[in-house]
Amino acid sequence: SQQGEEDPQALSIQEGENATMNCSYKTSINNLQWYRQNSGRGLVHLILIRSNEREKHSGRLRVTLDTSKKSSSLLITASRAADTASYFCATDQGGSEKLVFGKGTKLTVNP
Amino acid sequence: GAGVSQSPSNKVTEKGKDVELRCDPISGHTALYWYRQSLGQGLEFLIYFQGNSAPDKSGLPSDRFSAERTGGSVSTLTIQRTQQEDSAVYLCASSYGSWVEQFFGPGTRLTVL
Repeated sequence: SQQGEEDPQALSIQEGENATMNCSYKTSINNLQWYRQNSGRGLVHLILIRSNEREKHSGRLRVTLDTSKKSSSLLITASRAADTASYFCATDQGGSEKLVFGKGTKLTVNP
Repeated sequence: GAGVSQSPSNKVTEKGKDVELRCDPISGHTALYWYRQSLGQGLEFLIYFQGNSAPDKSGLPSDRFSAERTGGSVSTLTIQRTQQEDSAVYLCASSYGSWVEQFFGPGTRLTVL
């Protein structure tokens, strides 16, 4: 079963706008990670947030984590056409060493 | 340095044939993972190797699937008697430990006719 569920499934915005994607999960976690995938091939790690952290920044990315609601959000500010990709959240299940991925949000940034 | 590499990048096979997919992880990474991604779907965990420990095979969908990791480095995923539902992109990832970021290879796109 899917641990992480991203929302929305698809998002289309104009260049320069902000994009927000959400992830919900079901069990306790040690950390939550966000990945990006271009063209259905290899994934690239974006950011990792630990269960005792509430917010983390990396460049134009901002991730929040609310363990009480079992949810996370990824915000991409000032989006660019090159940000067009699928974004996945991934969690461990109660400390398991394997990651469980959601189905992803497909982001399209129109120039 | 070199990233995770996978071969072949594409594989077309006939139903019933066996296939072998190869993964070369980043040197020094102790953990290696295999995932499967069907069209438009998320990643499905298949198997996980960590150092010399017994692998976590809990995600393998059937006994037609097996994997090994030789010398703590290169890994091979074998699918016997392939079926059309095995068609997917098979992704390998490695990491230097547990609960840290994983580095993914470009994947092998398997098509079973």
